Amino acid sequence: GESVGLHLPTLSVQEGDNSIINCAYSNSASDYFIWYKQESGKGPQFIIDIRSNMDKRQGQRVTVLLNKTVKHLSLQIAATQPGDSAVYFCAENKEDSSYKLIFGSGTRLLVRP
Amino acid sequence: DSGVTQTPKHLITATGQRVTLRCSPRSGDLSVYWYQQSLDQGLQFLIQYYNGEERAKGNILERFSAQQFPDLHSELNLSSLELGDSALYFCASSSPTGGWDTQYFGPGTRLTVL
Repeated sequence: GESVGLHLPTLSVQEGDNSIINCAYSNSASDYFIWYKQESGKGPQFIIDIRSNMDKRQGQRVTVLLNKTVKHLSLQIAATQPGDSAVYFCAENKEDSSYKLIFGSGTRLLVRP
Repeated sequence: DSGVTQTPKHLITATGQRVTLRCSPRSGDLSVYWYQQSLDQGLQFLIQYYNGEERAKGNILERFSAQQFPDLHSELNLSSLELGDSALYFCASSSPTGGWDTQYFGPGTRLTVL
């Protein structure tokens, strides 16, 4: 598959451990945030979202935390599996102004067996 | 498989040329989005169409244009190509009433400008 973002920061974790991926967003007016997963050779895939009136949201094995004070978003993956190896990036949006998403640069997650 | 199809998968062309990328949305989806993903700038939103009409515009260059046809497929036209246009171009589609969680990306077209 194609490699995108060859110089992305990389997080290497042992299979079974928890992973934490961080994202700093740019616009303090953004009120909606998404985490995407992109596997090699594929398009981005929606994982989980959160609105600015929340500071935590949980999905299946994933949790997103939002700290609006410091404009920081994190994605926690529990019991990381080899299939979680991918590039993860966040996106922000100001819902009442446009349909545009602004994407972060991404973090590569490598899961060691 | 997301249900969004893009052709061609790879495209190699020369500077100054013009190319057309094609996207077929998932069945029932009315919105089509185009994105560019390059090594230096990451993923960027280019343009969105909804049921044949332009709905939102992002960082799309004037050399680029897009349209959505009555059968809802979309084409992205890139002209006067430059080396910096080399990138992955993704199309995504979403349902008429759904949010961003209903947006599905295609596998992308890898454009190489030599």
